[in-house]
Amino acid sequence: NAGVTQTPKFQVLKTGQSMTLQCAQDMNHEYMSWYRQDPGMGLRLIHYSVGAGITDQGEVPNGYNVSRSTTEDFPLRLLSAAPSQTSVYFCASSSEPQWREQYFGPGTRLTVT
Amino acid sequence: AQSVAQPEDQVNVAEGNPLTVKCTYSVSGNPYLFWYVQYPNRGLQFLLKYITGDNLVKGSYGFEAEFNKSQTSFHLKKPSALVSDSALYFCAVSDTGRRALTFGSGTRLQVQP
Repeated sequence: NAGVTQTPKFQVLKTGQSMTLQCAQDMNHEYMSWYRQDPGMGLRLIHYSVGAGITDQGEVPNGYNVSRSTTEDFPLRLLSAAPSQTSVYFCASSSEPQWREQYFGPGTRLTVT
Repeated sequence: AQSVAQPEDQVNVAEGNPLTVKCTYSVSGNPYLFWYVQYPNRGLQFLLKYITGDNLVKGSYGFEAEFNKSQTSFHLKKPSALVSDSALYFCAVSDTGRRALTFGSGTRLQVQP
């Protein structure tokens, strides 16, 4: 199993550009989520999904869109990048029930200039 | 709303000495508590969790954590620190009514040879 994979590893965008961060898992997990990690702030939840076709907002959803058309994939879209979105983004997945540990991808380091 | 506090940005300990990384939490229901570790330029890795039962939970790499309901704490401990334990440690909580994890801001553990 590859586990949770994320592409790209690094990305530089100009303000106003859009892009999609890719996330895939091969563990047949129902639950997937996106976090951003900023210094001194831990990880903050952006969006999550409890299954194909079902998504919901997390703590910091503004400026991001998600969709979940398959169990395996959970892309994160930045609609119009802003410098405040410079961060490291992690995708995670887990199986039910709720107390199962989450498996994290290696992260995408995004810089918006 | 649920929250997690890690009061120490950094913990320094000599190799061979015991270590403690502190975590306190706030949730409205019964908590599910987790510790994750992050090595440089990597995603988070699961260490251990508390769901119910014994207050002392044992996890990977010789780590353990003690759940204290009255003090709403879940401190991470290890009897004898190794230089290779140096990393960023995150405490996280979810309650029985929510699917999302809330993370603390992280504690950097530095083990000196």
